[in-house]
Amino acid sequence: SYVLTQPSSVSVAPAKTATITCGGDNIGSKSVHWYQQKPGQAPVLVIYYDSDRPSGIPERFSGSNSGNTATLTISGVEAGDEADYSCQVWDSDSNHVVFGGGTKLTVL
Amino acid sequence: QVQLVQSGAEVKKPGSSVRVSCKASGGTFSGSSVNWVRQPPGQGLEWMGRIIPFLGMANYAQQFEGRATLTADRSTSTVYMELSGLRSEDTAVYFCARGSTDLRSRFDPWGQGTLVSVSS
Repeated sequence: SYVLTQPSSVSVAPAKTATITCGGDNIGSKSVHWYQQKPGQAPVLVIYYDSDRPSGIPERFSGSNSGNTATLTISGVEAGDEADYSCQVWDSDSNHVVFGGGTKLTVL
Repeated sequence: QVQLVQSGAEVKKPGSSVRVSCKASGGTFSGSSVNWVRQPPGQGLEWMGRIIPFLGMANYAQQFEGRATLTADRSTSTVYMELSGLRSEDTAVYFCARGSTDLRSRFDPWGQGTLVSVSS
């Protein structure tokens, strides 16, 4: 089955840029979505179809996808960005939705 | 703006079944899929399956085939997820989330989650 690999944690100082990766075999050929999840809350969509941003999501959030890595970038990180971030794809071989294991973003 | 409202927390015995509901508030599921995703305590997200309410068509992740059943009541804009043969490993928060009929679709919005605890 298809596997998405994310770092378990990323730490960044306020106002700096956070980069969260999502690795998978030829993931560049798939559509990747990203979710933010704060403790005790449901996930919230922050990036869809690799790089599109839903209304209400700050321009600080951006995404890219190429080769074997998709990337979520958060520029000018704020304390309120501290959360878990998960990537998602559809695997056509298994007919499954697959999530990455999630990355905990800590704002120092 | 459609919101998804789920039923309340459940405590179940091993071997029993649980049914969780997901109701569309402020809209309907017309033209959408409803996906179910669970999250065990301290762990990541796991997709269970999806249903397209206006077709009544469901498909399931392999590990839930035969144990999970998704149904829809179009008259009340409510989708149900039933999981049978519960075991302690099924203790998790269960979320519903709206997608499109496109298999590659994003999930937005999500329900608030329902905690299912399985314990003897």
